[in-house]
Amino acid sequence: EAQVTQNPRYLITVTGKKLTVTCSQNMNHEYMSWYRQDPGLGLRQIYYSMNVEVTDKGDVPEGYKVSRKEKRNFPLILESPSPNQTSLYFCASRPGTSGSETQYFGPGTRLLVL
Amino acid sequence: KNQVEQSPQSLIILEGKNCTLQCNYTVSPFSNLRWYKQDTGRGPVSLTIMTFSENTKSNGRYTATLDADTKQSSLHITASQLSDSASYICVVRKSEDMRFGAGTRLTVKP
Repeated sequence: EAQVTQNPRYLITVTGKKLTVTCSQNMNHEYMSWYRQDPGLGLRQIYYSMNVEVTDKGDVPEGYKVSRKEKRNFPLILESPSPNQTSLYFCASRPGTSGSETQYFGPGTRLLVL
Repeated sequence: KNQVEQSPQSLIILEGKNCTLQCNYTVSPFSNLRWYKQDTGRGPVSLTIMTFSENTKSNGRYTATLDADTKQSSLHITASQLSDSASYICVVRKSEDMRFGAGTRLTVKP
């Protein structure tokens, strides 16, 4: 089944403790992206990657890192999480950069930083 | 100010009724406009996509319209079902940049 998977789905952590949220897609998509979703706000892009070893900042990259060492994986790293990073995070992928391609979203990771 | 504004923020309707959700945007120029459905605890799933030249697009009981002159789109749901309860998100794409609305939370009650 074609899908985007994220792990973990739920995570409670404390300020300053490094964490990684994994994202994997099995559709051979070139483009992958991370978003955060907060109440009353639309999804905001954190980072995106147009291909292996190519990553770029989105709208809200501060406090996050990503890597794209292989096509299928795009982990999101929080080196020193803070409470304002408490949010719902979505990974997404699409085949390439064509304007009409559908973007597929993962199930989401709900993060609470205490 | 968000470049994509959706209204209403939330809506409650009875099963079997129709409803219309609104999306106003200021993104310009744009490549396409999509409506997504997001069930609670799940990622968004694409319902419809329209380019600049399209006025309407249907997907079963969902019909999206687009007025590029007034920069407005609507999503009409016909004969609502309990499973339509979800958030509906309007997304406007400009080149590589996608702008998301905050969504309309629809609740369908029996």
